[in-house]
Formats: sequence, structure tokens, C-alpha cells
Amino acid sequence: NAGVTQTPKFRVLKTGQSMTLLCAQDMNHEYMYWYRQDPGMGLRLIHYSVGEGTTAKGEVPDGYNVSRLKKQNFLLGLESAAPSQTSVYFCASSYEPVNQPQHFGDGTRLSIL
Amino acid sequence: GQQLNQSPQSMFIQEGEDVSMNCTSSSIFNTWLWYKQDPGEGPVLLIALYKAGELTSNGRLTAQFGITRKDSFLNISASIPSDVGIYFCAGQAAAGYNTDKLIFGTGTRLQVFP
Repeated sequence: NAGVTQTPKFRVLKTGQSMTLLCAQDMNHEYMYWYRQDPGMGLRLIHYSVGEGTTAKGEVPDGYNVSRLKKQNFLLGLESAAPSQTSVYFCASSYEPVNQPQHFGDGTRLSIL
Repeated sequence: GQQLNQSPQSMFIQEGEDVSMNCTSSSIFNTWLWYKQDPGEGPVLLIALYKAGELTSNGRLTAQFGITRKDSFLNISASIPSDVGIYFCAGQAAAGYNTDKLIFGTGTRLQVFP
């Protein structure tokens, strides 16, 4: 009964380093999403996917890339981390309808120095 | 881009009191959603609204889709300590920029004192 699992939970990077955040869901959901949450702001959509092999840009996609090679996994990559990408990242999934996330992971807290 | 104004920003109430919070938009929305976020966890979907005027309950929670389609309200009756958290509204615009994206409000932080 895992739901949506995000790894890692915490990470500290130096400016310019790269890393990948992993999201896994065991509910056979078609739709998956990556959000970032910053203090005083609501969640903002980075990228999303409507099915295996598909990805689409959200509200704030710059500096991030994603891949959905398997239905249950949605990866978020930072190729060259910047301090402005310090945030809490949430992955979410839903069965339907699209763009209405129903299940969120517990977040990845990322700090970039 | 679209913006959602959520108010109040924070509330401090006594256990047993009722709570009201709202979300307003500058444009018409097709969908309103309400989420709750506990510390250190991801948001949890509480209620989804799809029609103007719709009133939906989930236990002690009741949410309404405003008839102007530019606002939504969430009420919590007889609050208890576990209601503590941040409540987010989210909406999907009917027209204009980003109509296929969900836009989140900035949250209402609720504290309940025994």
C-alpha cells in the first residue's frame, strides 16, 4: 500500500551539479506530475505525463527534464542545478481526469548551494 | 498568468469552532479542488467540484463551487486538533492561458487550540 514514493527525501547539491529525482507509483495511474513548492507560494507544475512514453511542459519547466519510460516511474532531472531550484519537490499521480492530481508523495527537499 | 487569491492566510481557532476559507480568481474556472497538507507530507485531495453552484461534503468538510465560477469556499465544522495543517485550493481555468493546467492558491494555515 505504498501509493506514491519519492526518492531521495533530502539532498544538498552544489551549483552546477546534476541529479535525478525518482517517483514511483503502484496504483497503475496513467497521469503523473512533478510540482515544486516554495515558501508563500502554491504548488507549481513543472512537467507532467499523460502516459508511458509521454511528457509535457507545465508552468515552470525551464532547467528541468523528465522521462516516463515505464508507466509506474516518472523521473525529474536537473542537468545543472542552480540556487533558484532550491525547493520542495512533489510528485503526484492520478487515474483521471488529467491535471487533477489525487495522490501525492511526501516530497523531496532539495537545497542547492 | 492566472492567479488564485486564497484567504485568510492563517487562522487560529479553538477546538469545536467552525472554520471558513475561500479562494477567488480573476477569471472563470471549470474545476475547483481542495487539498490539505500536513507538515512533512504531500497534499491530500479532500473535495473536487465540477459544476457552478455544486455543494459537496466529505465528513465535517463542505465545499462549494461559486455560482460566478470565480470562487470556491471550504467550511470545516466542529474543528478538532487533527484539522491542523495547510489547506490549498486549486482550480482549472475555463479560458485563456494555461487552461489545461491546475493552478494552486497560496494556502490557508490552520491552527486549532484545545
